[in-house]
Amino acid sequence: RKEVEQDPGPFNVPEGATVAFNCTYSNSASQSFFWYRQDCRKEPKLLMSVYSSGNEDGRFTAQLNRASQYISLLIRDSKLSDSATYLCVANGRGSGTYKYIFGTGTRLKVLA
Amino acid sequence: DTGVSQNPRHKITKRGQNVTFRCDPISEHNRLYWYRQTLGQGPEFLTYFQNEAQLEKSRLLSDRFSAERPKGSFSTLEIQRTEQGDSAMYLCASWSRGVDTQYFGPGTRLTVL
Repeated sequence: RKEVEQDPGPFNVPEGATVAFNCTYSNSASQSFFWYRQDCRKEPKLLMSVYSSGNEDGRFTAQLNRASQYISLLIRDSKLSDSATYLCVANGRGSGTYKYIFGTGTRLKVLA
Repeated sequence: DTGVSQNPRHKITKRGQNVTFRCDPISEHNRLYWYRQTLGQGPEFLTYFQNEAQLEKSRLLSDRFSAERPKGSFSTLEIQRTEQGDSAMYLCASWSRGVDTQYFGPGTRLTVL
């Protein structure tokens, strides 16, 4: 089983739609979680950190469910510019390491 | 631009040659990570440094790969006797204690012919 798992998609949604991605992680000792956005042939860029209490940044909302070991990303009112791959990340801290484990990414295509 | 730079941006080499990539992190970041990414996959952890100390290496990192960060500033990743399977994007990231996250450089795209 992969340490961080995501549905690779693609998710094809019309402009204005709401879309949600889930990601599961296997290391119960992980303490930090993130969503990164990656455009085609570019480097990943931090979208948002994911806190236990959940957090919101404009149209983006991230949630963490420690009991079920998953994190989610909700995008409201999708824009064409949201088309990208969204990478879920968990850190390995707690098992004596500071490495970060990335999921394979979920591709989103927002259609006009 | 995150402030992390990588050179070269592209490298084409023949199988069996050695290649070296450089990463210059954000100056106050003490932790530096190397990843490899192939098409359709997320970045795979290779190794990381805390200052000049290499603290962990992935099992993916065969003995043909070596990384250094001699003065705790820039880092180099060398691949010896390249193989076609080494073709990938090699990403460097520097870590900020303040926000507990990583900032990626633009990557070096390696093609092994």
